[in-house]
Amino acid sequence: AQSVTQPDIHITVSEGASLELRCNYSYGATPYLFWYVQSPGQGLQLLLKYFSGDTLVQGIKGFEAEFKRSQSSFNLRKPSVHWSDAAEYFCAVGTGGGNKLTFGTGTQLKVEL
Amino acid sequence: GAVVSQHPSWVICKSGTSVKIECRSLDFQATTMFWYRQFPKQSLMLMATSNEGSKATYEQGVEKDKFLINHASLTLSTLTVTSAHPEDSSFYICSAVSGVGTDTQYFGPGTRLTVL
Repeated sequence: AQSVTQPDIHITVSEGASLELRCNYSYGATPYLFWYVQSPGQGLQLLLKYFSGDTLVQGIKGFEAEFKRSQSSFNLRKPSVHWSDAAEYFCAVGTGGGNKLTFGTGTQLKVEL
Repeated sequence: GAVVSQHPSWVICKSGTSVKIECRSLDFQATTMFWYRQFPKQSLMLMATSNEGSKATYEQGVEKDKFLINHASLTLSTLTVTSAHPEDSSFYICSAVSGVGTDTQYFGPGTRLTVL
């Protein structure tokens, strides 16, 4: 069965600093990988996704993620964090054609001004 | 962009009563909708997958008689929590995809259920 691990429950960064959120997955086949952001009162928003091809994926809001098969990782990065990036971030692996999502436990990002 | 709404956004009910939660795709037709449950400080757990006009497929461990799902149209799916108990208190989230083979799920804002 597939699984997703997000080792960092909470991360605090200063505004303007770089950010990396870690995600490791376990899945027997080529994974469909997603990063979502959840803000209070709003639905999960898709930041980016990886299905195949270029292992460096660009997303919305200046985020990017790199798929590393050898490390079973799909870490999310942003070169300069804005205060509005404070939210909960979820990594997910999709099976069944990508639709059936298994989520990690999330990383709560706090941004210090 | 694709918008999914949920109603109500929060509900409080007495133990033993039933509660219905609606999930609507506002600007697209959703062939498939998903229902998730999220406990505080935890991840989203897929409860069931519903396709328009057919019976929902429930994940292992989810009681289909407790959580009734109906996907009667391409824009509406409902989740009814029957005979609710305090342990059913949770955050329920729906998502929708717009076509067969489409990979991107659009999520609703969630419904907070509190059972007293």
